[in-house]
Amino acid sequence: KAGVTQTPRYLIKTRGQQVTLSCSPISGHRSVSWYQQTPGQGLQFLFEYFSETQRNKGNFPGRFSGRQFSNSRSEMNVSTLELGDSALYLCASYTVGVGGNEQFFGPGTRLTVL
Amino acid sequence: AQSVAQPEDQVNVAEGNPLTVKCTYSVSGNPYLFWYVQYPNRGLQFLLKYITGDNLVKGSYGFEAEFNKSQTSFHLKKPSALVSDSALYFCAVRDQGGNFNKFYFGSGTKLNVKP
Repeated sequence: KAGVTQTPRYLIKTRGQQVTLSCSPISGHRSVSWYQQTPGQGLQFLFEYFSETQRNKGNFPGRFSGRQFSNSRSEMNVSTLELGDSALYLCASYTVGVGGNEQFFGPGTRLTVL
Repeated sequence: AQSVAQPEDQVNVAEGNPLTVKCTYSVSGNPYLFWYVQYPNRGLQFLLKYITGDNLVKGSYGFEAEFNKSQTSFHLKKPSALVSDSALYFCAVRDQGGNFNKFYFGSGTKLNVKP
């Protein structure tokens, strides 16, 4: 079974631009979560989607948004980029319904904002 | 409120010595507990989990963890460290009480294993 894939792996943008990141979960996984990882803040939860619906949301400004498609693939969008948005963005998927199931993570997208 | 604490930013051990990476948690109900490892420029890899049953859980790469309900801890251990174990380790907890409960991650502990 293929793992979680994320594209692109690396992005360089300038302040004020917007960016879209993509995540394809493991086949059969319908829940997708997004995290921001920075050296100082650790792993911060952004949001979780299941069956195209946002189920959970972290404490991030409205510039951060996401969506999920009917095939469970997910995208996140960051508008009006700021220098502080530079981070590794991780996507994770898991099987909902059995609460003890672990999340499987993709390799991440490294976003650099100049 | 649910939370996870990893009190050590960094742990240094010599190769061949036992290692322990500490984790304490707080949840409103019974916990699901997880350990992940992250190598540089990679995503997180699942190591092991505690759901129920035996308090000592064995996982990948020779790692194990002990669930202690009274101390609300879930420390990661390995009897003999390898240089290749050097990485960033994350503890995570999830409340058993619902399908869409969040995963809460600790701040991470950097493990350095010296030859």
